[in-house]
Formats: sequence, C-alpha cells, structure tokens
Amino acid sequence: DTAVSQTPKYLVTQMGNDKSIKCEQNLGHDTMYWYKQDSKKFLKIMFSYNNKELIINETVPNRFSPKSPDKAHLNLHINSLELGDSAVYFCASSQQGNYGYTFGSGTRLTVV
Amino acid sequence: QQQVKQSPQSLIVQKGGISIINCAYENTAFDYFPWYQQFPGKGPALLIAIRPDVSEKKEGRFTISFNKSAKQFSLHIMDSQPGDSATYFCAASMRGSYIPTFGRGTSLIVHP
Repeated sequence: DTAVSQTPKYLVTQMGNDKSIKCEQNLGHDTMYWYKQDSKKFLKIMFSYNNKELIINETVPNRFSPKSPDKAHLNLHINSLELGDSAVYFCASSQQGNYGYTFGSGTRLTVV
Repeated sequence: QQQVKQSPQSLIVQKGGISIINCAYENTAFDYFPWYQQFPGKGPALLIAIRPDVSEKKEGRFTISFNKSAKQFSLHIMDSQPGDSATYFCAASMRGSYIPTFGRGTSLIVHP
C-alpha cells in the first residue's frame, strides 16, 4: 500500500525520558512534515523538511528534533519529555510545489 | 495569529440533514482551500478542495462554496450519514509555501 506510516501507534513513557517516533513514506514525495495535534484537535506544524531545507516552527522547543536518514524517512526525536508533550503526533508528506498532503495515522504520546 | 477561522466547533445533525461548516480567512495570498476529514484514530485525509477562481465545487454529497470578496468558504454535506461523523478541518495554502494553515476543526456527529 502507498502510504505514510508511523511507528509506534501508541507510546507511553515517563517524564524526563528520550523517545523517537519513526515515519516512512513510499509515495515518492520529497517533503515531509511533523504535526502536533493537541487535545482540542488543533493541528500545529512543527517541522517541514526536504533534502534542501529544514524549516522549524519557532514555537517548537529545541527538545524536539527531526532526523532524516533519507528522503523517504523523517523521524522525530524528543528529549527530556514533559507532561505537556502528551499529544498525537502526525507525520505527513507532499511533493514540493504541489498542494497535496498525505498524513500518517498518528502516534499517541502519553507522558506520565 | 489564527489566519483561518472555522465554525462551529461542534455540530450535531440528524441523518439525512445538511451539515454546514464555515471558514473565513484573512490572507488574500491564499490560493488553495482544501477540506480534510479525520476519523478517530486516523490522520486527516483530503476530502475536497477549491481554488478561488470558482465559486463552487461539488463531489458527490460534498460541496464547497467559496466567496472570494467575503474571504469565506464553507463545506456542505448533503444527506448527512452516520458514517460522515468525523472531525472536519478547513485549510488554506498559498503558492510558494504550500503548507496549509488549518482551521481549528469541527466535530460532526450525525445521529441515525
């Protein structure tokens, strides 16, 4: 299936831990993104990345960092997790110059 | 700064009724207006989109109405079905950026 896939789907961890969420797309898109969806369903972009440029939403704490081993993968690393990081995180992809966006199914992160 | 305002926050409709969700934008540089549908446990998925050179676009039971002078657009769901129960997001994008600015979402419940 052509898709954007994320792992894990659920992640429960303690405050202060470091965790990663993986994202892979097989759509041949050249740009990938991370979004945070809070409890009120608001979608906030965190990062936009292609092989040329990383664009960071300035409101994102530097505890969050994207890592891209190749253009089909964009992983999200989070250091020193805090309670307020609890949310659903979505990976998405698109082709540069194209409006079409494809989202993954999300990773529900719960920090306890 | 919220550039796309969406209302209502929640909507309850009887089966067979019409669901209407409204959005207003501020930036006249926006030139692509998609609607996304999100089911519980899934990522948002593109439902229908419109460009500002037309006033209406219809796909099946879903219609976007667009008023460029008022900077408003709306989603109409005709003959609403329980399977339409989901969260709906309007969004707006512009050439050059292509990253959508999302509204805050509308939770739609269609009662059988």
